[in-house]
Amino acid sequence: QTVVTQEPSLTVSPGGTVTLTCASSTGAVTSGSYPNWFQQKPGQAPRALIYSTSNKHSWTPARFSGSLLGGKAALTLSDVQPEDEAEYYCLLHQGNAYVFGSGTKVTVL
Amino acid sequence: EVQLVESGGGLVQPGGSLRLSCATSGFTFSNSWMSWVRQGPGKGLEWLANIKEDGSVKNYVDSVKGRFTISRDNAKNSLYLQMNSLRVEDTAVYYCARDPTWGAHDYWGQGTLVTVSS
Repeated sequence: QTVVTQEPSLTVSPGGTVTLTCASSTGAVTSGSYPNWFQQKPGQAPRALIYSTSNKHSWTPARFSGSLLGGKAALTLSDVQPEDEAEYYCLLHQGNAYVFGSGTKVTVL
Repeated sequence: EVQLVESGGGLVQPGGSLRLSCATSGFTFSNSWMSWVRQGPGKGLEWLANIKEDGSVKNYVDSVKGRFTISRDNAKNSLYLQMNSLRVEDTAVYYCARDPTWGAHDYWGQGTLVTVSS
C-alpha cells in the first residue's frame, strides 16, 4: 500500500509564505499522479483547492498555488491570512485508486 | 447550487452492516464519477472507493475490499455504500464527493458518522 507523506505541522506568520510538500513511497510524484490539494478546518468537510498539480477551482484564492518540486507535489501559500490556518491534505492517484497524504497542520502565528 | 447529503450513519455492533446514502442535486449526477472518503476520530482522510458515471467501474482501497460495496442509482441521483463485516476501526465520518476529473473531488457532503462498537 502506497504511503503519502506530508509535513506534520508548519507555522507561518501573517503575510508570509509557506510551502507544503507531498511525497510518495513509490517514488517521485509526477503529473501522472494528478496531485490534488484540500483544506479542512475543524468540524468541516474538506474543501478542494488544487487539482491536477496546479489547477485552481473557481473558489480557490489566488494566494494558493500548486506545483511539482524536487520529486514531490507542493502547495504554496503566499501572503498567508489568519483564515488559512487549517489542515491541508494532498491526494495522489495510484493505480486504480487514490491515496491521501497524512496531512499538514498549518498554524498562522 | 450543488448539494450532497449523506445519511444512514449510526451505531452498529462489530460484524454488523450499514448502508450509507448520498443524495445529490444541482449537477448532472449521471455524468459524474463519485467517491466515498472517511475520516476516523482525530485522524486524516482516507479515500475508500469510487464509481464511474454508469456504474461499470468500481475501485476500492485494500482495507475495505470484499467488505464494502459502492453503487449508484442515476435515476435517483444517489450514491450508496454498503458496509458489511464492520470493525471497530471503521468508526469514522463518511463523506461522499463528486470527482469531475482525476481526484479533484470538488464538492463534498457534510458527512455522516458511523460508530462501530459493542
